[in-house]
Amino acid sequence: QSALTQPASVSGSPGQSITISCTETSSDVGGYNYVSWYQQHPGKAPKLMIYDVSNRPSGVSNRFSGSKSGNTASLTISGLQAEDEADYYCSSYTSSSTLNYVFGTGTKVTVL
Amino acid sequence: EVQLVQSGAEVKKPGESLKISCKGSGYSFTRYWIGWVRQMPGKGLEWMGIIYPGDSDIRYSPSFQGQVTISADKSISTAYLQWSSLKASDTAMYYCARRCSCGSGTSFDYWGQGTLVTVSS
Repeated sequence: QSALTQPASVSGSPGQSITISCTETSSDVGGYNYVSWYQQHPGKAPKLMIYDVSNRPSGVSNRFSGSKSGNTASLTISGLQAEDEADYYCSSYTSSSTLNYVFGTGTKVTVL
Repeated sequence: EVQLVQSGAEVKKPGESLKISCKGSGYSFTRYWIGWVRQMPGKGLEWMGIIYPGDSDIRYSPSFQGQVTISADKSISTAYLQWSSLKASDTAMYYCARRCSCGSGTSFDYWGQGTLVTVSS
């Protein structure tokens, strides 16, 4: 079972802002300081949207932003667009010798 | 241009063996970790394990330890994921991904296109 819990679905109208949460539920996930977010459109490979909690890779729209408070990380999409409709996964890294990475449960974003 | 190109879709019977591949190009293959991710039909992403091709250091997720074998051949810039005896429950899309050099280096910035494995009698 995943140690990172996300809401199953989030929706919003075009132009609105939405926030997806990612909550650490297991102490096995270490310091939870290395959080990434991935976007996945149907039938496509995941795409890195945010790394190290709040950093955007080159080429990712500044409408995407990340943050973290306590044991919950968040991804905010501002100015929601139709192309943002996709599944979103958070991921955390731990430096233990066995479990290195864990994904969140995933959130389906629907643009109304 | 960095690319990860995976081998094509496979249809196998339970009990058969399989090895799928992920070929990297456009970067120094030995210097970046490669991870494998499973996505079962209609389900979420699951980390399976990662390998550092430079010295074949491998870390498995506990859920996949003993179930699959990850390897790499740095001479041909290719990582592999293999099964010795497939089960119907191995039916899934499998992705490889390169660990990025951005920030802490704990994210994966380039992904393969995926390999669909179907196991059915």
